[in-house]
Amino acid sequence: EVQLVQSGGGLVQPGGSLRLSCAASGFSVSNNYMNWVRQAPGKGLECVSVIYREGTTYYADSVKGRFTISRDDSTNALYLQMNSLRADDTAIYYCARQSGGLDVWGQGTTVTVSS
Amino acid sequence: DIQMTQSPSTLSASVGDRVTITCRASQSISIWLAWYQQKPGKAPKLLIYKASSLEPGVSSRFSGSGSGTEFTLTISSLQPDDFATYYCQQYSSYSEITFGGGTKVEIK
Repeated sequence: EVQLVQSGGGLVQPGGSLRLSCAASGFSVSNNYMNWVRQAPGKGLECVSVIYREGTTYYADSVKGRFTISRDDSTNALYLQMNSLRADDTAIYYCARQSGGLDVWGQGTTVTVSS
Repeated sequence: DIQMTQSPSTLSASVGDRVTITCRASQSISIWLAWYQQKPGKAPKLLIYKASSLEPGVSSRFSGSGSGTEFTLTISSLQPDDFATYYCQQYSSYSEITFGGGTKVEIK
């Protein structure tokens, strides 16, 4: 079965760090474009980062320099390292496979940045 | 960045109604547009890709059209399961995909 299962997330203080994980099954993350998309409470969707098949990475301006996307081909997993977290990073974070549209999504994980 | 503008932001409709949602891009994106349905507490679900291609397994009452800067999502006969929020998304550049602000379809 093609699926993405997420872990990580939680409550962190401003300035803190978190690492989100996304385990893929039924396909290889290394052969696909993979994204992290977030949704702030009551708001719309924002793509924060993407990693290409060849390993090139891109970031939204809102997270550039603070977030790092990576993948582990041996474990078929995608990661998002989030540093210097701010209150406006509070959101549900989704990993998603990009095949034209975003056709496979993780279940989402909540990140809350608050003191 | 390419800005995506959806209208309306909220739509009230009845079961059986034909519903149309519009999405406009700030510059031409050819046919690189997708539509998603999201229900509360759930991840978005891909409905349409390449502006008019139906994702496998999605009901044929959903259809998409358009190219360039103007796109529409049509639900031919609204069903109870269709009450949700719908988003358009452009992917003319995979490095800068952007979403519309969403359209909430409510029960009239």
